[in-house]
Amino acid sequence: GQNIDQPTEMTATEGAIVQINCTYQTSGFNGLFWYQQHAGEAPTFLSYNVLDGLEEKGRFSSFLSRSKGYSYLLLKELQMKDSASYLCAVRDLAGYSTLTFGKGTMLLVSP
Amino acid sequence: DTEVTQTPKHLVMGMTNKKSLKCEQHMGHRAMYWYKQKAKKPPELMFVYSYEKLSINESVPSRFSPECPNSSLLNLHLHALQPEDSALYLCASSQDLSAAPGTDTQYFGPGTRLTVL
Repeated sequence: GQNIDQPTEMTATEGAIVQINCTYQTSGFNGLFWYQQHAGEAPTFLSYNVLDGLEEKGRFSSFLSRSKGYSYLLLKELQMKDSASYLCAVRDLAGYSTLTFGKGTMLLVSP
Repeated sequence: DTEVTQTPKHLVMGMTNKKSLKCEQHMGHRAMYWYKQKAKKPPELMFVYSYEKLSINESVPSRFSPECPNSSLLNLHLHALQPEDSALYLCASSQDLSAAPGTDTQYFGPGTRLTVL
């Protein structure tokens, strides 16, 4: 089975940096995904980590430590439009590469 | 192009109605998914199709019936739903179900907001 934990809510100020943590305990692991979801809209793919280390994509970076069962999503130069739910999802090693989602972290960016 | 389209955008139906949700992708993906998402909850996997065959059914009630007519289309047939089935239904696709890194990113459609009266 999979157990994925993220903070429920976070607040930050426009222009700041915020780090959203995700810890997981899974029976198998074959990759961790971060998605952004605005209210009432579909999740949008942000990043993917399968090896330890940092993946950088513009203002967004994601880090993975497999030995610690830990990932974070780092958002720099926050903008108001970054207010959204951020979902951490783990892919297991079962025969089919399905995703299990965490409950999501609601980020509110204020002026 | 990473577009997955879904129709309709909104659907209101009674408990005795029969309706269908449609999903389409033209990325050549061979894996397609149906998820159900309640408000302020994460998406929950319902069904997975791989190469047009049903691979996973996450113990979904039979009032939900998936269908994959071809590699680009995925339908979800609805019959005798309950008010608690009201949710956002998301379709997603990925290149395939293999575990090869980089081939399995799931891309989501905009969803169908379903209300069952």
